[in-house]
Amino acid sequence: DTAVSQTPKYLVTQMGNDKSIKCEQNLGHDTMYWYKQDSKKFLKIMFSYNNKELIINETVPNRFSPKSPDKAHLNLHINSLELGDSAVYFCASRSSGSAYEQYFGPGTRLTVT
Amino acid sequence: AQSVSQHNHHVILSEAASLELGCNYSYGGTVNLFWYVQYPGQHLQLLLKYFSGDPLVKGIKGFEAEFIKSKFSFNLRKPSVQWSDTAEYFCAVKDFGNEKLTFGTGTRLTIIP
Repeated sequence: DTAVSQTPKYLVTQMGNDKSIKCEQNLGHDTMYWYKQDSKKFLKIMFSYNNKELIINETVPNRFSPKSPDKAHLNLHINSLELGDSAVYFCASRSSGSAYEQYFGPGTRLTVT
Repeated sequence: AQSVSQHNHHVILSEAASLELGCNYSYGGTVNLFWYVQYPGQHLQLLLKYFSGDPLVKGIKGFEAEFIKSKFSFNLRKPSVQWSDTAEYFCAVKDFGNEKLTFGTGTRLTIIP
């Protein structure tokens, strides 16, 4: 069974469109994250939710809005897509215990044309 | 703010060679340290982590890392690499009391058969 899953795996869309990426984890974890990996492979955290509450909100354009309907899901909605949004977006989760290990999803490759 | 440096951007080695990848972080408080690996087309997986205790940490697939507090370093080592070790390697640091994981820019490792 997949621990952290994301849909879709690939997303190609035009500038100005609105799109969503979904993330689900079946690990029973309390905390979930969204990361952006740019073309140079640099990974940067965007958001983190703990028990459906936003706990990390990095300097991200407000066109990006995360939504956590429950502990197992963290979706990312992006409005008015721009060329610079093209990247691989990774979802991750971790338990609330002391063993701070993040489990990553397979990534969503977003291409904005 | 914490920053993580991985000075080796691309390392090319022959099979059976020994490997050392550098990782340095900037903030000198209590930290947790991690190495993640990303095989081509796959998601990030945890190789090893340091929380406390013995500064020499052993991980999966024969990898180990040494935490040297005085040098703010957490270098990754493997005595004899294999072709299957070809991947991108990321060092990450978590400051005590901070939820955020800060990643380095990654080192691409290419193993020549």
